[in-house]
Amino acid sequence: DIVLTQSPDSLAVSLGERATINCKSSQSVLYNPNNKNYLVWYQQKPGQPPKLLIYWASSRESGVPDRFSGSGSRTDFTLTISSLQAEDVAVYYCQQYYTNPSTFGGGTKVEIK
Amino acid sequence: QVQLVESGGGVVQPGRSLRLSCSASGFVFSDFGMHWVRQAPGKGLEAVAFISYDGSRIYYGHSVKGRFTVSRDNSKKTLYLHVNGLRPEDTATYYCTKDLRGYNDHWGQGTLVIVSS
Repeated sequence: DIVLTQSPDSLAVSLGERATINCKSSQSVLYNPNNKNYLVWYQQKPGQPPKLLIYWASSRESGVPDRFSGSGSRTDFTLTISSLQAEDVAVYYCQQYYTNPSTFGGGTKVEIK
Repeated sequence: QVQLVESGGGVVQPGRSLRLSCSASGFVFSDFGMHWVRQAPGKGLEAVAFISYDGSRIYYGHSVKGRFTVSRDNSKKTLYLHVNGLRPEDTATYYCTKDLRGYNDHWGQGTLVIVSS
């Protein structure tokens, strides 16, 4: 199975500052025929199910604020929150859907400093 | 809007069985694959099972293969997960999710399964 390793496990960022979360895959999730990376990012707030933020590694889901962005390719990916808001406190997960079963990263908890 | 409502969770003894259900609305259920994803208390997410729109393709996570069975009834717009031989490590919230091109674009609120004697 593809293993996704997220870093850091947690981070505290001041309001308005940038938050950066990394996701490293044990093998490439880039599908060459369509040049798409089969990786998504979710946000999970306490007591709620996960919510889709980013798909194809860098495409923002409809309704997601543009302060959230995804980047990277093959094995190294990043989720960036450009200006952290109070409502962004949550755990963030990456997931690969290149292979079945899909696998998730271990999660990164984002808090306010 | 898409709605997914899970049911069937509860407290069950080790070795027993349960059937989880997920009632779907707000989209053409028979056009989409569906997933079950679980989350142990305070832990991360784990893919449990996937079933294609017509039931012809099914995948399981390694930790549940041979014990769990995913199925669907498109006429009832309902997804099922039959869970057998439950173990304490199966204790988790089980989410039903809608598939879009391989990922989970909509999630239910989940149903909690507690395996304990």
